Amino acid sequence: AQKVTQAQTEISVVEKEDVTLDCVYETRDTTYYLFWYKQPPSGELVFLIRRNSFDEQNEISGRYSWNFQKSTSSFNFTITASQVVDSAVYFCALSEARYGNKLVFGAGTILRVKS
Amino acid sequence: DGGITQSPKYLFRKEGQNVTLSCEQNLNHDAMYWYRQDPGQGLRLIYYSQIVNDFQKGDIAEGYSVSREKKESFPLTVTSAQKNPTAFYLCASSIDQEGAAYNEQFFGPGTRLTVL
Repeated sequence: AQKVTQAQTEISVVEKEDVTLDCVYETRDTTYYLFWYKQPPSGELVFLIRRNSFDEQNEISGRYSWNFQKSTSSFNFTITASQVVDSAVYFCALSEARYGNKLVFGAGTILRVKS
Repeated sequence: DGGITQSPKYLFRKEGQNVTLSCEQNLNHDAMYWYRQDPGQGLRLIYYSQIVNDFQKGDIAEGYSVSREKKESFPLTVTSAQKNPTAFYLCASSIDQEGAAYNEQFFGPGTRLTVL
């Protein structure tokens, strides 16, 4: 069965600290895709990244980096030198090739960055 | 500007009344989706549509109905049969390309429905 677990309900950090948001997934499919979305206070989800199951290379985009490890079924997200504007709810999501474009979301992690 | 619009931002209704939430997109996307968000539960899929005049139930379709008469529009009706309708509702769309799982979804700003 498809499942995404974000065990951290809420994280608080002080500006400039690094923070890692955890994501663990379950799937029986060999072809699947993992996503991260950001939901700022305005409510609209913003797409951050997509990873397919055959590409385990880590990705870096500015202060954001993602670590995908199939051995532990994890797709963790790290923000380096956090800023107040990073405060948001972050969702990890999974789609499986056999179910097409149906996304299964984790419960989300609330990140609060204090100045 | 291309995007997804949802109206209204906030909606209040009395218990027992049906209410329709609007979702319009001008991204020329084939697929559209409705999600419900409750605190601490992430997003749950209500209904989705991959093509005009066709739609499928998601994980929590009971008490909801949809229509897809036009490619750009996917309204959601919350009926009186929905036992706990107060929630934040998000509409999304994606390029379908035969339902490919790799397509990211683009989201609207959401509608917060409160049933009094």
